[in-house]
This record gives sequence, structure tokens and C-alpha cells, in this order.
Amino acid sequence: SQTIHQWPATLVQPVGSPLSLECTVEGTSNPNLYWYRQAAGRGLQLLFYSVGIGQISSEVPQNLSASRPQDRQFILSSKKLLLSDSGFYLCAWSLRGTQYFGPGTRLLVL
Amino acid sequence: SQQGEEDPQALSIQEGENATMNCSYKTSINNLQWYRQNSGRGLVHLILIRSNEREKHSGRLRVTLDTSKKSSSLLITASRAADTASYFCATDGWTGANNLFFGTGTRLTVIP
Repeated sequence: SQTIHQWPATLVQPVGSPLSLECTVEGTSNPNLYWYRQAAGRGLQLLFYSVGIGQISSEVPQNLSASRPQDRQFILSSKKLLLSDSGFYLCAWSLRGTQYFGPGTRLLVL
Repeated sequence: SQQGEEDPQALSIQEGENATMNCSYKTSINNLQWYRQNSGRGLVHLILIRSNEREKHSGRLRVTLDTSKKSSSLLITASRAADTASYFCATDGWTGANNLFFGTGTRLTVIP
């Protein structure tokens, strides 16, 4: 069966520091992968999606970037965090239109 | 925007009652999905209804879809305290990457 992992679960970072969040999927090949951000009490905002290794599409201009160095690995990064980058970050993969989410990473930028 | 909107934003009911949540969207779709999110957790897929379907059941869940009105409803029957969560509808996009567009969610509280 397929599983999706995200780490870390929580992260507190100072403004201006770098960021690296990792997502890995097991049990499937060549999945579509997604990064979402969810502000407190709000819906999901799609940040990036990837249909294959090295293929990244960005939905909104922002302070973040994404990379897919391996088929089942999706990384969300920033060189310098802003206060507005705080939020709940969710990784997902999809199969036949349905998306399956990881447990999320709560990021607090101080 | 293709993003759906759920209504109401928050709903509080007694255990055993039925809960109905609505979703409206703006563009044509291939399918519409409902997801559930417990506080501080990832989303869990509940049910998918295709654009040529009008109603679908799964356990205590009943979903309807009216493409002429661009709306869907999620009914949870005989609610339980464990149903307390946020519920999101999601519509598919046209980018070829199975992108989904999520609404802002309905926060359901079931009081024991």
C-alpha cells in the first residue's frame, strides 16, 4: 500500500533563516506530487505541483521553491523565511484524480 | 477562480442529528470530491462524485451534485462526536496534473 511521509512535524524558525521540508511517497511510481499551504482556519492554497522528476510548476509567486530530485521525493525550500511563510504545509500525491495527503508540517516563523 | 466555497463556514449539532454542508463552484468539472480534516492533521479523502452522477452514498455519507447549479452537498447522517472536523470540497482543474481546487471548508462540531 502507498504511504506518504512528511518531516519535520513542527518547525520554529527565525525570520531570514533557510527552510527545507521533505516529503516522500512509498508504494507507487511516478506519482503527481503537490505542496499546499493552509493558513489557520482557512482552505488550502496550492503552491507547487510536479508530474515528474525535475518538473515543477508554481501556482503562485512567492518566497518558496520546490524540487523533485527523485521520483518519490518532493522538497519545499526557502533561502530566507518571511513572517508570512508561517502556516501548515501539506504534501500530497494523486492517483486517478484523488489526492492523498501527508500529516503536514506546522511552520512558525518568528 | 475555480475554488469552491462551502456553506456554512461553521456548523454545530447534537450527536445523532444529521449534518448538511454545501459547496458551490464556478467552472465546469469532471468530478467533485469531499475531504475531511481533523484539527492539525492532513486531509482524508471521503468520496468522489463524477459530473455525470447526481447522488452517491458511502456509509453514513450522502453526496449530491447539481451541475446545472454548480453545487454539491454532503450529508452526514446520525452524526457522532468523532465526526467533528473540517470538511472541504474540491473540484478538478484543467492543467492535466490532476490539480484540485479546495474550498475554505465547513467546520463541523458534533456535541456529545
